[in-house]
Amino acid sequence: QVQLVQSGADVKKPGASVKVSCKASGYIFIDYYIHWMRQAPGQGLEWMGRIDPNSGGTIYPQKFQGRVSMTRDTSINTAYMELNRVKSDDTAVYFCAAAGAVLQRFDPWGQGTLVIVSS
Amino acid sequence: DIQMTQSPSSLSASVGDRVTITCRASQSISTYLNWYQQKPGQAPKVLIYSASRLQSGVPSRFSGSGSGTDFTLTISSLQPEDFATYYCQQSYSTSVTFGQGTKLEIK
Repeated sequence: QVQLVQSGADVKKPGASVKVSCKASGYIFIDYYIHWMRQAPGQGLEWMGRIDPNSGGTIYPQKFQGRVSMTRDTSINTAYMELNRVKSDDTAVYFCAAAGAVLQRFDPWGQGTLVIVSS
Repeated sequence: DIQMTQSPSSLSASVGDRVTITCRASQSISTYLNWYQQKPGQAPKVLIYSASRLQSGVPSRFSGSGSGTDFTLTISSLQPEDFATYYCQQSYSTSVTFGQGTKLEIK
């Protein structure tokens, strides 16, 4: 079936980098953008950007520009999100989701990856 | 960025009630509006896309309407499994934004 499977939970110290993976199966990986969102404890959803797996092109909101990097490996149908210089308020569950270029309807979603930033 | 504002932020209702959640965009987004349901510890799930189209597999008690800047999600008869948090999301802009969420609780 169509699904996205993310890497496991991670704990990082402030100032470190964290990299989360998102492996796609059940569909043609390059046909759908991969978006990344995060959700801090008890908070709403925040969009972090997206990658076009076909071209590798990315779009990031201003808040994350210079600190986030989204890449992909088409040979293993996997997308990655790396966040640099993490701080305590980056503690959140990070989600990937697939979406078409036009409707940008997020379906499916990965199961989420908890990232804890703590000294 | 396009701002999305949902109301109410929280809502108490009973099984069988009809419930409406609203979402307002800071500028016109045509019908580029999606609705999601999220239960604790789970990823969100799409319910409605393009403002009024029911996602495959979603019960028909869910419906969406609106265009331009004002949108609504209606649940015609609440079921126990519908108590969750609901988010709207605009897909008009390449820079996606979500509403802040509406938590639907049991009265």
